[in-house]
Parts: sequence; C-alpha cells; structure tokens
Amino acid sequence: DTGVSQNPRHKITKRGQNVTFRCDPISEHNRLYWYRQTLGQGPEFLTYFQNEAQLEKSRLLSDRFSAERPKGSFSTLEIQRTEQGDSAMYLCASSLTGVAKNIQYFGAGTRLSVL
Amino acid sequence: RKEVEQDPGPFNVPEGATVAFNCTYSNSASQSFFWYRQDCRKEPKLLMSVYSSGNEDGRFTAQLNRASQYISLLIRDSKLSDSATYLCVVHKTNSGYALNFGKGTSLLVTP
Repeated sequence: DTGVSQNPRHKITKRGQNVTFRCDPISEHNRLYWYRQTLGQGPEFLTYFQNEAQLEKSRLLSDRFSAERPKGSFSTLEIQRTEQGDSAMYLCASSLTGVAKNIQYFGAGTRLSVL
Repeated sequence: RKEVEQDPGPFNVPEGATVAFNCTYSNSASQSFFWYRQDCRKEPKLLMSVYSSGNEDGRFTAQLNRASQYISLLIRDSKLSDSATYLCVVHKTNSGYALNFGKGTSLLVTP
C-alpha cells in the first residue's frame, strides 16, 4: 500500500496523559498536513510542513500540541496533558508541490478517545 | 460566518435520481476548489476538482461561479454506492496550502 499511513488507528487514553501519533506520507510527497475532525464537522486544519519545515500552524494548535517532521519524511503529532475536548479523528494528508493543484491525499486517521 | 457553508442534509433519494449539492465560500480570493467524498468513519477522498469552466466525470458534474462564490455538485443516476458525505473544499489563500472544508452534505441513496 503506497498511500498515506497513520498509526495507531485508535488510541484510548486517560485525561492528562500524553499521546503521539505517526504519519507516513506518500513516498516523495514533500508537503504534509495535519487536520482534526470531530463528529458532524469537516476536517479542520492544524499544521503543515514543506519538507522538514513547519510553515503554518492553526490557532487550533494550542501549546499542548506539537508536530515534527525531522527528516522531511514521516511526521509525529504529540498532544500533551490530553483533555476530553481533544477527542477527535486526527487526519494526516500529503501532497506534491506543483502537481495537479496540490491535491491532498488523506490517511485513514487516528481516532483519539480521551476518557 | 464559516468560510465554507453547505447544507448538511441529509438528502434521501431513490436509486436513479438526480441530486444537487450547493456550497458557498466567503473568501473571494480563494483559488482552488474540490469536492471530497467521505464514507462513514473513513478518510476523505478526492471526488473531483472544480474548474471555472465546469467539469464532468461520468455521472458527476461540478460547477463554479466565482461571481456568486458558489460551487455545485450534480450526481445523475444515483447509485446505492453514492451514499456518503460530500465535502465542499476550498483552498485557503494567503495561508500556505491548507484546505478549508465545509461540514459536508450527507447523501443516502435508497433502493
């Protein structure tokens, strides 16, 4: 499977714990995005990388959230001191510069439940 | 006001029917437009890009009206497998390449 891969698929945690998600983009895609989706809503943008550089962060990305893409390949999203409001589907997407209007391809997501 | 607005539905239509979804966006400088499809508890998948001249892909037709800031999706001869949520998506301008999604319109095609 050469699509966007996310791990884990599901994560259940207790409030106050830290969690980390991983995203492996489509090979050679230089752009990587994180989105969050809650029930009944469309995905909301969190942050975006071009290669290893984090170029944009949404206001939704509080200081408890941090994302990295150290080698310009896979990315991690960490949430510290989780809150119940963090429960959502976290989606990763990737795209290739200059190809077909920068169409973004999504992974299957990591569903986070904070108890 | 949300940047991308859609009627959430649900739209319940019989097989074979024609159904149309509409979407409005608030940022007149938006440059790229898409329809994504999302099945229950799955990731969004690109259905089609939307071009100024309008474009068609089989049973699906997308249109863009920049003057009215309005996007539409028409599905002809609906199939049971078309049941899904359809997300109107606008490329945010002046802020990198993030996509701005509507809440989605739910479609249920019944036998």
